[in-house]
Amino acid sequence: DSGVTQTPKHLITATGQRVTLRCSPRSGDLSVYWYQQSLDQGLQFLIQYYNGEERAKGNILERFSAQQFPDLHSELNLSSLELGDSALYFCASSEADRSYNEQFFGPGTRLTVL
Amino acid sequence: GQNIDQPTEMTATEGAIVQINCTYQTSGFNGLFWYQQHAGEAPTFLSYNVLDGLEEKGRFSSFLSRSKGYSYLLLKELQMKDSASYLCAVRVPTGGGNKLTFGTGTQLKVEL
Repeated sequence: DSGVTQTPKHLITATGQRVTLRCSPRSGDLSVYWYQQSLDQGLQFLIQYYNGEERAKGNILERFSAQQFPDLHSELNLSSLELGDSALYFCASSEADRSYNEQFFGPGTRLTVL
Repeated sequence: GQNIDQPTEMTATEGAIVQINCTYQTSGFNGLFWYQQHAGEAPTFLSYNVLDGLEEKGRFSSFLSRSKGYSYLLLKELQMKDSASYLCAVRVPTGGGNKLTFGTGTQLKVEL
């Protein structure tokens, strides 16, 4: 158990819908990262927040957005869902944003878009 | 762009040693990580290299050569539970922060 929690564990929804994925980092960790893992593309970095502010952005679609709240939990919002958005979404956290800080991954949310 | 290459699959025998290679070409470098991932589960941290050389951690060792853009993960005394995907990831500075760019992973199968 990494100490990072994600809810829900599974989510099944229809195309065109909007969903929110939630992540609570390990106690004391200020940095939160979101990743998407699909079968054909591997683990892709989406976005990073550090102490409430956006720090780095990866291949995140405009239909996706995220935020980190004052209590440091984070939410990833996915809208106008398409079949291709079906994937495992991981949240990870680290103590800070130094190069040696390892990231601890949550168990993931499996999103299925029908 | 970022490019990280690893073999797709490898097979090894229980008790043996296996070396998983990773080559990378990235726009920056702030360290290289190895993660283990069992199917459907979260990646778990194995090792970190930022300077050239070998880092040893029990049955696992990782080597880095920054000038060659090359790393390997060495697994000794293989056990059946080591069957998993091994992900090489490079930490790349991006904007005001860093991002981990992952390779597609090497699926290791350990056989009797």
